[in-house]
Amino acid sequence: AQSVAQPEDQVNVAEGNPLTVKCTYSVSGNPYLFWYVQYPNRGLQFLLKYITGDNLVKGSYGFEAEFNKSQTSFHLKKPSALVSDSALYFCAVRTGTTDSWGKLQFGAGTQVVVTP
Amino acid sequence: KAGVTQTPRYLIKTRGQQVTLSCSPISGHRSVSWYQQTPGQGLQFLFEYFSETQRNKGNFPGRFSGRQFSNSRSEMNVSTLELGDSALYLCASNLGLAGLSSYEQYFGPGTRLTVT
Repeated sequence: AQSVAQPEDQVNVAEGNPLTVKCTYSVSGNPYLFWYVQYPNRGLQFLLKYITGDNLVKGSYGFEAEFNKSQTSFHLKKPSALVSDSALYFCAVRTGTTDSWGKLQFGAGTQVVVTP
Repeated sequence: KAGVTQTPRYLIKTRGQQVTLSCSPISGHRSVSWYQQTPGQGLQFLFEYFSETQRNKGNFPGRFSGRQFSNSRSEMNVSTLELGDSALYLCASNLGLAGLSSYEQYFGPGTRLTVT
């Protein structure tokens, strides 16, 4: 079965410092991985995805993620965190059928707190 | 282009009642998925519809059902509501076809359902 794990419930970082949110995955076949962010009382916003190609994926709002096949990881990173990055971050893996991109398995989420 | 819209945004129901939630996808998107988000269980996939057909289904009881109309708008219905059905229900849409450049889902703001 496809699954993702986010080992940290919360990550605390000072503004201006690097931010890393961890995600590991377990899939059969090729992994298709996503990061989403959720602000309070809002839906999920897409940040970036890994489908194939370069292991370093660049996304929205200065975020990037590194796909590591040997370590089965897909960690989200931002070189310099902002207070406005404080939110709930979800890693997800596609689990649907061949033609379907509409079924995702989400991790439990990591709350990011950026302090001024 | 307008985003995914969901109505209503908030809903309060009593145990035993039924409820219908509505979702309008991004124009041109043919796949609509539904997710339930709760503090205890996190984000869980309910079902996906594509071209008016259910393409994927999650592990929810038969009280949860959905449908999709010819204009791709979707509704989900929960019958005989239980207290545990209190959650944020998120709808997401994507193009729905393999081989296109866009694989990510776009989420609506959600419907907050409270069952008393």
